Amino acid sequence: SQTIHQWPATLVQPVGSPLSLECTVEGTSNPNLYWYRQAAGRGLQLLFYSVGIGQISSEVPQNLSASRPQDRQFILSSKKLLLSDSGFYLCAWMGARELFFGEGSRLTVL
Amino acid sequence: AQSVTQLDSQVPVFEEAPVELRCNYSSSVSVYLFWYVQYPNQGLQLLLKYLSGSTLVKGINGFEAEFNKSQTSFHLRKPSVHISDTAEYFCAVISPYSGGYQKVTFGTGTKLQVIP
Repeated sequence: SQTIHQWPATLVQPVGSPLSLECTVEGTSNPNLYWYRQAAGRGLQLLFYSVGIGQISSEVPQNLSASRPQDRQFILSSKKLLLSDSGFYLCAWMGARELFFGEGSRLTVL
Repeated sequence: AQSVTQLDSQVPVFEEAPVELRCNYSSSVSVYLFWYVQYPNQGLQLLLKYLSGSTLVKGINGFEAEFNKSQTSFHLRKPSVHISDTAEYFCAVISPYSGGYQKVTFGTGTKLQVIP
């Protein structure tokens, strides 16, 4: 069966520090992958999606970036975090007819 | 283009009372319809989905939803809620796979608060 994992689950970082959140999918190949963010009291904002290795599309311009170095690995990064980057980050992969989510990573920028 | 509207940001309801969470959508093509639930500090979990066929869809935890094509709605219902149903609920539409990227659009969510 397919599974999706995210880490770290919780992260507290100072403003201006770098960020790396990792997501891996098991049990499937060449999945469509997504990064979403939930800010406090707000809905789901699509940040990036990827249809294959090295293929990244950005939905919202910001200081975050994404990479897909391997088929089932999706990484969200930043060189310098802002206070506004705080939130709950969710990775997801698209099955045949359903979107599956990871457990989420809570980022607090101080 | 496709969009999803969840008109109610918060819905308080007493335990054992019925509840309906509303979802309306718009799309220029046929889409798949979903309801997800999110408990605090967790990812989203699928409640139910409509792909085709019967317009009444039953999901987990006693929830059901009805697809109404003429009204472009997919409202979520439960005849008797429990304290454990307190969570945030998201309606979503997904465009059918046609090679490459599948567009996913979420509503802004409805927080269901079950009152003892």
